[in-house]
Amino acid sequence: DIQMTQSPSSLSASVGDRVTITCRASQAISNYLAWYQKKPGKVPKVLIYATSTLQSGVPSRFSGSGSGTDFTLTISGLQPEDVGTYYCQGYNRAPPGTFGQGTKVDIK
Amino acid sequence: EVQLVESGGGLIQPGGSLRLSCAASDFTVSGNYMSWVRQAPGKGLEWVSAIYREGWTYYADSVKGRFTISRESSNNTLYLQMNSLRAEDTALYYCRGVAAPPVDYWGQGTLVTVSS
Repeated sequence: DIQMTQSPSSLSASVGDRVTITCRASQAISNYLAWYQKKPGKVPKVLIYATSTLQSGVPSRFSGSGSGTDFTLTISGLQPEDVGTYYCQGYNRAPPGTFGQGTKVDIK
Repeated sequence: EVQLVESGGGLIQPGGSLRLSCAASDFTVSGNYMSWVRQAPGKGLEWVSAIYREGWTYYADSVKGRFTISRESSNNTLYLQMNSLRAEDTALYYCRGVAAPPVDYWGQGTLVTVSS
């Protein structure tokens, strides 16, 4: 099964900062990588799928890149509403991969 | 509007069984990828089980042999039969459906508490 390792586990940044979260897969998954945002009391929301394709309605300050085993989520200009926990998940084959352990994002 | 509505959670003693249901509207359970994802208190998201359109089923190692995912076309519902429950199965359980291109749908979750 595909295992995902995320870093950092948490970060604190100022409004307007560029924030980067990385995710490493235990085996090559081509570009089959999704990013999710989870806020307390809310349902998880998919931000990006296929490494870099923005889900409809997601602000363009979110972007994804990578391939193979190494992937990145970037928030270009952190906003207060971006506070939450972010997860990656690989899904190139059955079964789907595990979620990464999450990165908690706070405002400084 | 697509809706996924979970039910069946509750307080159960260790070793007990529960069956979770996820009733779908405006979304065909048997025609799409469906999964159960859980989040234990203070912990991250954990993929639990999945059933593909073709009928393939998969389980996380933590639940293999104890949980069974299934679906019923007649009432457009996804199920998760959970046996031999343990304290570490305590979590909010989400039902998730994915349709092309992909579009992602989640239920609001049902809480399972395993405690004596």
